[in-house]
Amino acid sequence: EVQLVESGGDLVQPGGSLRLSCAASGFNFEDCAMHWVRQTPGKGLEWVASISWNSGGIDYAESVKGRFTVSRDNAKTSVFLQMERLKLEDTALYYCGKAERGYIFGRGGLIDQWGQGTLVTVSS
Amino acid sequence: DIVLTQSPGTLSSTPGERVTLSCRASQSVHNDYLAWYQQRRGQAPRLLIYGASSRATGIPGRFSGSGSGTDFTLTVSGLEPEDFAVYYCQQYGNSPLTFGGGTKVEI
Repeated sequence: EVQLVESGGDLVQPGGSLRLSCAASGFNFEDCAMHWVRQTPGKGLEWVASISWNSGGIDYAESVKGRFTVSRDNAKTSVFLQMERLKLEDTALYYCGKAERGYIFGRGGLIDQWGQGTLVTVSS
Repeated sequence: DIVLTQSPGTLSSTPGERVTLSCRASQSVHNDYLAWYQQRRGQAPRLLIYGASSRATGIPGRFSGSGSGTDFTLTVSGLEPEDFAVYYCQQYGNSPLTFGGGTKVEI
């Protein structure tokens, strides 16, 4: 059974930093691209970042480019999202998702399994 | 960026009815790489349809997708109580990945 378990969400002040983790199991992690998607009540689902199977392909939404860094550790079957210079509008539930392919575009952009999410609240 | 517009925003229905949800793209979706997800209250999204018309593993036959280019449809034939949820479309043919705003199917 595929399992994706996010952690690291917290309450943080504007300008602060946070590192999210997603522990994966139940599938060949090293074969799959991974994605981060966030959800706010007002904006629905918003794609944040993607990383290919070997970290050779990485992509970010414009809203987080230069502030967020996605990485992965295939030995630990985990993917990470380092979030810097957080803004109020980064407040959301952050999901990690598994792709059905190793690359991040085309079929690799299809998220076939999702975790339950970790909540990030940016507030003073 | 490809903007996906879903309609209607909310759909009121009753169990057993057939409903049709629309997703319109601002430009043609490459290779019809269009997916539909279901999100029940308090749960993560669940993949229903990919490639515009292929059902994901374990998805009941009452869910079907159709369309190509810029106009896509999700049909639920015979609503079950567990189908009352929010449905999102997503295109994965181009970067950035984008989602529609969702359609809530309510009783």
